[in-house]
Amino acid sequence: DQQVKQNSPSLSVQEGRISILNCDYTNSMFDYFLWYKKYPAEGPTFLISISSIKDKNEDGRFTVFLNKSAKHLSLHIVPSQPGDSAVYFCAASPNRDDKIIFGKGTRLHILP
Amino acid sequence: ETGVTQSPTHLIKTRGQQVTLRCSSQSGHNTVSWYQQALGQGPQFIFQYYREEENGRGNFPPRFSGLQFPNYSSELNVNALELDDSALYLCASSRDKSSYEQYFGPGTRLTVT
Repeated sequence: DQQVKQNSPSLSVQEGRISILNCDYTNSMFDYFLWYKKYPAEGPTFLISISSIKDKNEDGRFTVFLNKSAKHLSLHIVPSQPGDSAVYFCAASPNRDDKIIFGKGTRLHILP
Repeated sequence: ETGVTQSPTHLIKTRGQQVTLRCSSQSGHNTVSWYQQALGQGPQFIFQYYREEENGRGNFPPRFSGLQFPNYSSELNVNALELDDSALYLCASSRDKSSYEQYFGPGTRLTVT
């Protein structure tokens, strides 16, 4: 049973445009959500997070939006840059002392 | 500040054998989590160690075991290897068990034949 779902295996976006990566979850007990970015041959790196008490968190070119009623979150990258080409994992956790559950990832290609 | 390191980078084992994977956590971090990432999947939580004690376990059989040492480095041991154990094994360290921000190592690619 997949509790964190990333339904788009891949996404291609033109350089300079907005990239929107989507994530759905099924567990209403999730309290904290994170996005990780992974380059080939490297481990995932933490990108941005959001607590369930917020609906938006912004950090530079990256913004995460949370819609609790729809159990949906999205990561916006604007403007998209070539170095953003990577696999992006959505992750969630019910509380600070519990495990983090990852989605399968979305591969983002930034086109020149 | 030294990042998370893992050894070995790659490993090939035969079904039924045992394997030990190693992880050095980032300086100042006392918590280590281990994940299994199968091809095309996201990382799956195996277990976490906090100050040398197991602090949570995912849905993995007992033949997956671990250790954390006083310097907070860690080992993942897998006994009686099965073909499905072939995966990338990731170690992640964090400042403490309540920290969401985990710093991952590059992983160990295990192939079981």
